[in-house]
Amino acid sequence: DIQMTQSPSTLSASVGDRVTITCRASQSISSWLAWYQQKPGKAPNLLIYKASSLESGVPSRFSGSGSGTEFTLTISSLQPDDFATYYCQQYNSYTPLTFGGGTKVEIK
Amino acid sequence: QLQLQESGPGLVKPSETLSLSCTVSGGSISSSSYYWGWIRQPPGKGLEWIGNIYYSGSTYYNPSLKSRVTMSVDTSKNHFSLKLSSVTAADTAVYYCARPSGYSSSSWYFDLWGRGTLVTVSS
Repeated sequence: DIQMTQSPSTLSASVGDRVTITCRASQSISSWLAWYQQKPGKAPNLLIYKASSLESGVPSRFSGSGSGTEFTLTISSLQPDDFATYYCQQYNSYTPLTFGGGTKVEIK
Repeated sequence: QLQLQESGPGLVKPSETLSLSCTVSGGSISSSSYYWGWIRQPPGKGLEWIGNIYYSGSTYYNPSLKSRVTMSVDTSKNHFSLKLSSVTAADTAVYYCARPSGYSSSSWYFDLWGRGTLVTVSS
């Protein structure tokens, strides 16, 4: 299995802050990486695919970068609606598809 | 607008079989462009992919669950189903049905999700 490791597991930030979340893969996954946002009691929502492609309808303050084994999700100016948990997912290998452990973005 | 909705028992006894369905509305499950998937999330924990199925019946399962998982499609009812046998408390989770973005595995990120259904394994 390809292991996905996110850091930090929890992040405290204020509205307007620039926030960066890291996801590391245990082996190269090229750019086959997606990012999701999940709010309590809701299903995950796709933000980014292919490491840096913004899903339609997602605000431009979200961006993704990286390739190989190290990836980042950046929120350029944190908004109240952005306090949530974020997950990365690799789809380089489907045996199995795997997710990171999540990063919870909390209000500072 | 395509929507997914999970249904099934919210409580299953240990050693029994968990059975869930996902109804596809606003479109056909027989679309040649998509697989259909199941993902679960234990309370307070992360996401685990269970498997994907094509309308023809072609399946890909998570190896860690493969011995206990069966997925199927009923095109007449426009739904797909999940069966997980010999459940234990560790199978307690919110189960989501979801659609990978495209047919090819290079598109197997999930751009459409159901709301999820909590299944508790308890006697």
